[in-house]
Amino acid sequence: GQNIDQPTEMTATEGAIVQINCTYQTSGFNGLFWYQQHAGEAPTFLSYNVLDGLEEKGRFSSFLSRSKGYSYLLLKELQMKDSASYLCAVRQAGTALIFGKGTTLSVSS
Amino acid sequence: DTGVSQNPRHKITKRGQNVTFRCDPISEHNRLYWYRQTLGQGPEFLTYFQNEAQLEKSRLLSDRFSAERPKGSFSTLEIQRTEQGDSAMYLCASSGGGANEKLFFGSGTQLSVL
Repeated sequence: GQNIDQPTEMTATEGAIVQINCTYQTSGFNGLFWYQQHAGEAPTFLSYNVLDGLEEKGRFSSFLSRSKGYSYLLLKELQMKDSASYLCAVRQAGTALIFGKGTTLSVSS
Repeated sequence: DTGVSQNPRHKITKRGQNVTFRCDPISEHNRLYWYRQTLGQGPEFLTYFQNEAQLEKSRLLSDRFSAERPKGSFSTLEIQRTEQGDSAMYLCASSGGGANEKLFFGSGTQLSVL
């Protein structure tokens, strides 16, 4: 089975940088995804990591360490519209994507 | 490409009734997934299809739940003898397959069981 842990809630201010951590325990790791979900809306894809290291995409970056079972999502230059739930999801070989419970990020002015 | 479409958007039913939801995936996607999400939780995997074949079903899914994808295009999820604990958002997602496949989600069907 899989176990995915991430903080329940985080708060930050506009313009700041925030790091959302995710730890996982799984067998047959086959990739880690981050999704963003605004309240009342469907999740949307943010990033994908399968090899160790940092993937950068605009204001968002995602890091993976497979040996530590650890990932983080880094959000820079925070904007109010970044207030959302951020979902860490892990894929084992040959199975569907399994999601963590999500981290609710609140950005204030 | 109109994205993943789900209907109805909302369904209110009485306990014990049967309900059926429909999902139309992105047309070229061969994989289709069903998830369930309750408030404050992440999406919980239910089942998925590759074309018309149901490849995996969550052990958490009771026998009251059944899903089909008869022609490898749209899918239906039926819940029989609904219970109040079935109240949730039911999300459908599709993908084109591959190890780095991105899931594209529909807007979901919000089920309320009274």
